[in-house]
Amino acid sequence: TQLLEQSPQFLSIQEGENLTVYCNSSSVFSSLQWYRQEPGEGPVLLVTVVTGGEVKKLKRLTFQFGDARKDSSLHITAAQPGDTGLYLCAGGNTGGFKTIFGAGTRLFVKA
Amino acid sequence: EAGVAQSPRYKIIEKRQSVAFWCNPISGHATLYWYQQILGQGPKLLIQFQNNGVVDDSQLPKDRFSAERLKGVDSTLKIQPAKLEDSAVYLCASSQGLAGRPTDTQYFGPGTRLTVL
Repeated sequence: TQLLEQSPQFLSIQEGENLTVYCNSSSVFSSLQWYRQEPGEGPVLLVTVVTGGEVKKLKRLTFQFGDARKDSSLHITAAQPGDTGLYLCAGGNTGGFKTIFGAGTRLFVKA
Repeated sequence: EAGVAQSPRYKIIEKRQSVAFWCNPISGHATLYWYQQILGQGPKLLIQFQNNGVVDDSQLPKDRFSAERLKGVDSTLKIQPAKLEDSAVYLCASSQGLAGRPTDTQYFGPGTRLTVL
């Protein structure tokens, strides 16, 4: 059974701080996606990474896929209150037809 | 472009009662997903449709859960009878591509929050 473990589970920081959250597995995934979910809403896709070692940037967010495609990280620079939410990673395997989600990191950015 | 619509948004029932959720995906999207998200956990795939056919229902508790996607558009998810552990948010998502492409963007609806008392 493929599992994705996310850490930390909870993170509360001040506006302007930097942070990194992690998504780890013992399994190899062909792709890794990051979503953000706000209360009362469904997850919204932030990025998809498919190549080992790939780095993608989305404004203040930097995503990295591990070389072995078993792990990923999300780094936020100068966090803002609008970054508050649940960050979910999701792994997929072509031919497996199934996307597996981690439990998420709940981020709270205080003004 | 209209997003994924779900109804109702909230439902409270007693155990052993029945409940049904409805989902209208984004127009033209071939693949539709139902997920269960228990508080503190990530979404867990219950069933995945490609058009009106089932691609994956391996994690659907078939003794009490059922789902259909008639005409390959709208979908309903039913629980009968409900148990306390079914309390969760039920998310519907759709994607444009055919099933088996995990890099496709899934667009999620707002979910239905079910409380079983």
